[in-house]
Amino acid sequence: DTGVSQNPRHKITKRGQNVTFRCDPISEHNRLYWYRQTLGQGPEFLTYFQNEAQLEKSRLLSDRFSAERPKGSFSTLEIQRTEQGDSAMYLCASSRAVQGIGNTEAFFGQGTRLTVV
Amino acid sequence: EDKVVQSPLSLVVHEGDTVTLNCSYEVTNFRSLLWYKQEKKAPTFLFMLTSSGIEKKSGRLSSILDKKELSSILNITATQTGDSAIYLCAVLVQGAQKLVFGQGTRLTINP
Repeated sequence: DTGVSQNPRHKITKRGQNVTFRCDPISEHNRLYWYRQTLGQGPEFLTYFQNEAQLEKSRLLSDRFSAERPKGSFSTLEIQRTEQGDSAMYLCASSRAVQGIGNTEAFFGQGTRLTVV
Repeated sequence: EDKVVQSPLSLVVHEGDTVTLNCSYEVTNFRSLLWYKQEKKAPTFLFMLTSSGIEKKSGRLSSILDKKELSSILNITATQTGDSAIYLCAVLVQGAQKLVFGQGTRLTINP
């Protein structure tokens, strides 16, 4: 499978627990994005990486959220002390930045659906 | 603040009808506009539009960008039940390199 892969697909956790999600982008893609989507809304940008550098974080990303992309390949998104409001679909996307051309289209993974009870 | 607005939010038509979905945007530094189709899972890429007035076509789907009007339309002709989905419009903002999404249009095709 050469698409964007996310694990786990579903996660149910109790309020206050920490959770970690993983994203494996398309192998030649150097840009990786995290989005959050709640029911009836379009995806909201959380953060993005170019290679291993985290270049932008949304105001939505509180200090309970942290993302890493240690070797410029896969990325993890951790949520500490989860709250019910964190329940959402967490989507990862990747794209390739081409010098002089810009960004290719972003391809999305299947998402991780988080339910905080 | 960068904003993308889609209309209508919901549309129900009969199989065989033609539909037009609208997307308008207000962003600080436009780079390109993308359309995605979302069924029960992740958004799947349809089109990326950068230049105004050039129609992109894929089978029964087509899309065009109007940079003067800050808008785009997505047309689907001879709709089929498999076209039922949420259609998302997103704008790639230059510099920030992020996609700003609209709320989506929920399209339902009845047989």
